[in-house]
Amino acid sequence: EIVLTQSPATLSLSPGERATLSCRASQSVSSYLVWFQQKPGQAPRLLIYDASNRATGIPARFSGSGSGTDFTLTISSLDPEDFAVYFCQQRYSWPYTFGQGTQLEIK
Amino acid sequence: EVQLVESGGGLVQPGGSLKLSCAASGFTFNTYGVNWVRQAPGKGLEWVSYISGDSTTIKYADSVKGRFTISRDNAKSSLYLHMNSLRAEDTAVYYCARETGFIDYWGQGTLVTVSS
Repeated sequence: EIVLTQSPATLSLSPGERATLSCRASQSVSSYLVWFQQKPGQAPRLLIYDASNRATGIPARFSGSGSGTDFTLTISSLDPEDFAVYFCQQRYSWPYTFGQGTQLEIK
Repeated sequence: EVQLVESGGGLVQPGGSLKLSCAASGFTFNTYGVNWVRQAPGKGLEWVSYISGDSTTIKYADSVKGRFTISRDNAKSSLYLHMNSLRAEDTAVYYCARETGFIDYWGQGTLVTVSS
């Protein structure tokens, strides 16, 4: 099973700042890495698929990068609606696995 | 508009059974694989099971293998999860999630609570 480790666990930033979230895989997942956003009481929402492709309707301030074992989700300038939990997920091999999440909170 | 609506959650005693359903609309159901993903209260996401559009490929997490059964009825655009021998650690919100090579849409989830 591929283990995904996200860092930091919590990130405290202010609106307008840049956010950088990390996801590291225990073995290569090629580019088969997905990012989701989840707000309290809501289902997750797809942000980025295959490491760097923004999903339909996702603002350009969200970007993804990386391949192999190291991946990054960057939010260039935080909007108040961006404060949420972010999960990465690998679809390279079964079982699918998720990272434990990064809580992005308002400073 | 893609919609996935889960139902069937509730309170069940340890060792009991429950059947979850997911009603899909807004897309051609039989051309997509679908997953069940769960989230224990205050915790992260855990993938549970996957079924391909034609039901020829089925996968389970080790934690549920032998206890849970995934199935689908394409004529009814519905996905199911039969859960047996339920344990306290199965308590979670269960989401169905459409897959197009990657998970792209999620339902709102249904809560399963396993407790005496």
